[in-house]
Amino acid sequence: NAGVTQTPKFRILKIGQSMTLQCAQDMNHNYMYWYRQDPGMGLKLIYYSVGAGITDKGEVPNGYNVSRSTTEDFPLRLELAAPSQTSVYFCASRGGMAEAFFGQGTRLTVV
Amino acid sequence: AQKITQTQPGMFVQEKEAVTLDCTYDTSDPSYGLFWYKQPSSGEMIFLIYQGSYDQQNATEGRYSLNFQKARKSANLVISASQLGDSAMYFCAMRVQTGANNLFFGTGTRLTVIP
Repeated sequence: NAGVTQTPKFRILKIGQSMTLQCAQDMNHNYMYWYRQDPGMGLKLIYYSVGAGITDKGEVPNGYNVSRSTTEDFPLRLELAAPSQTSVYFCASRGGMAEAFFGQGTRLTVV
Repeated sequence: AQKITQTQPGMFVQEKEAVTLDCTYDTSDPSYGLFWYKQPSSGEMIFLIYQGSYDQQNATEGRYSLNFQKARKSANLVISASQLGDSAMYFCAMRVQTGANNLFFGTGTRLTVIP
């Protein structure tokens, strides 16, 4: 049972480039989330999904897009990367009212 | 709107002593859950303990206990018999029943255990 798997673990992007952060969970959870964590700060919600085909914006959605075509996968797309998107990105999933399970995180640097 | 406040940016504790990490919250939703997560230097988020708003007793998980004072809207984490491996960032989080049940996080407390 792998839980929540994020790839890649590290990435350096140039300003204006695009990339997709992958997230997959094997727990059949309906709820999935993308957070970003800036240095010394807590986690802020970017996007979330309550099930396949349903996504919605969180606190800080600008510059990002998501899709949820299957229960397992919830990729996060960065278009036109900017230095302000340098952060650590966490994907999480949850079933029912239980605690959220987090991936290992992706450390992204935009230069 | 939901809000979580952690007022202690950093805390120090002697090994084998107990320590309390503060967390206050604000919500108008009567049904909510409170969580504590640990983030060691390796970066992963580790779930520690959960308290539901209707739970009558304070939650405990091994050396972790949650001091839940509903009237004061506080949910402090108590770590007993601190160990060097407890050195980490600790985040308090809240989820309400309405909407998408998102987790709202505080800014965290960095705990350092001194040998």
